[in-house]
Amino acid sequence: AQKVTQAQTEISVVEKEDVTLDCVYETRDTTYYLFWYKQPPSGELVFLIRRNSFDEQNEISGRYSWNFQKSTSSFNFTITASQVVDSAVYFCALSEAPGNTGKLIFGQGTTLQVKP
Amino acid sequence: SQTIHQWPATLVQPVGSPLSLECTVEGTSNPNLYWYRQAAGRGLQLLFYSVGIGQISSEVPQNLSASRPQDRQFILSSKKLLLSDSGFYLCAWSDPSGGEYANTGELFFGEGSRLTVL
Repeated sequence: AQKVTQAQTEISVVEKEDVTLDCVYETRDTTYYLFWYKQPPSGELVFLIRRNSFDEQNEISGRYSWNFQKSTSSFNFTITASQVVDSAVYFCALSEAPGNTGKLIFGQGTTLQVKP
Repeated sequence: SQTIHQWPATLVQPVGSPLSLECTVEGTSNPNLYWYRQAAGRGLQLLFYSVGIGQISSEVPQNLSASRPQDRQFILSSKKLLLSDSGFYLCAWSDPSGGEYANTGELFFGEGSRLTVL
């Protein structure tokens, strides 16, 4: 069965610190997609990144970077030089059987608080 | 461009009362539709999904139900609310066809509906 684990429930950092959010997944599928979503206080989920199972290249987008390692079934998210606006709940997710139902299995989320 | 809307944004209902949350998608055809619930301090739990009109799959047994009377309309209902139904409900859609986001599992979420059952 598919499962996503975000072991860090809450993280608190001071502005400009780097922070890494951990994500570990379980799946029997050979083809799958991994996602990170951000949920600011307004509640709406904002898509951050999608990574397919055949692409293990790390990705960097501004202050955000993602480290995908199939060997450890991890898809960690790092924010460099964090800012107060980064404060939010971050969800890691795994797609189930892409092309069929497209269901996403979410982790429990990590609440990030960035203090000024 | 595609948009998704759900309403009402906020709802306070007494225990035992009915519920109807509505979600509509614009700018796409035959989307997959989903209802997720986020209970306080918890992650997102998939409640229902639909791959077509009248086709509803339930992920979690409960006193909620879903319907899809039109291609781009998804409704979450209950005949009698329980205290445990309180939470933040999110509607989402995905593209199962040959569009840009097809077959990737990427979901597009609505603004959410916050339900408090008293």
